[in-house]
Amino acid sequence: DVVMTQSPLSLPVTLGQPASISCRSSQSLLYSDGNTYLNWFQQRPGQSPRRLIYNVSHRDSGVPDRFSGSGSGTDFTLKISRVEAEDVGVYYCMQGTHWPLTFGPGTKVDVK
Amino acid sequence: QVQLVESGGGVVQPGKSLRLSCAASGFTFIIYGTHWVRQAPGKGLEWVAVMSSDGSNKYYADSVKGRFTISRDNSKNTLYLQMNSLRAEDTAVYYCATLTSDFDYWGQGTLVTVSS
Repeated sequence: DVVMTQSPLSLPVTLGQPASISCRSSQSLLYSDGNTYLNWFQQRPGQSPRRLIYNVSHRDSGVPDRFSGSGSGTDFTLKISRVEAEDVGVYYCMQGTHWPLTFGPGTKVDVK
Repeated sequence: QVQLVESGGGVVQPGKSLRLSCAASGFTFIIYGTHWVRQAPGKGLEWVAVMSSDGSNKYYADSVKGRFTISRDNSKNTLYLQMNSLRAEDTAVYYCATLTSDFDYWGQGTLVTVSS
């Protein structure tokens, strides 16, 4: 199975400042169709998960443009340009290239 | 209004069975594959299984393969998860989710507790 790792696992942030989360996969996530199926999900406290980014860098509808995704192969990054209070929660990367699908362990973002 | 509503959770003894349901409304459920994802108390997300729109393809996590069966009834816009030989480590909130390149829809989850 593809192992997804994230760093850091805990990220205290200052409101208005940028934040960055790294995600690495144990195998390349480039699929034979040319797409790289790497997703980012946000889970706010007490809520169901919500996808922010799909295929590395495509923002889902309604997701603020302060969220951006980048990367290729096995190394990926989620960036928040200016953290807002509503961004507190746990962020997960998930690969959709290889079966079974696998999530990273999650990065908990909270305010300093 | 789009909804995925899970049901069927509860407390069950180890070794017993349980069937979860996920009722979809507000979108064309029958043309999309749909997943089960679970989250143990205080833990991260774990992908469990997926079934394609027409039911022809199913994939499972290694941790549930051979014990869990995913199915769907498109006439009822409903996805199921039959869980057999339950173990304490299957205790979790189970979410159903439809994930496409255009949208992602999640239910609110249903709690399964495996305990004697």
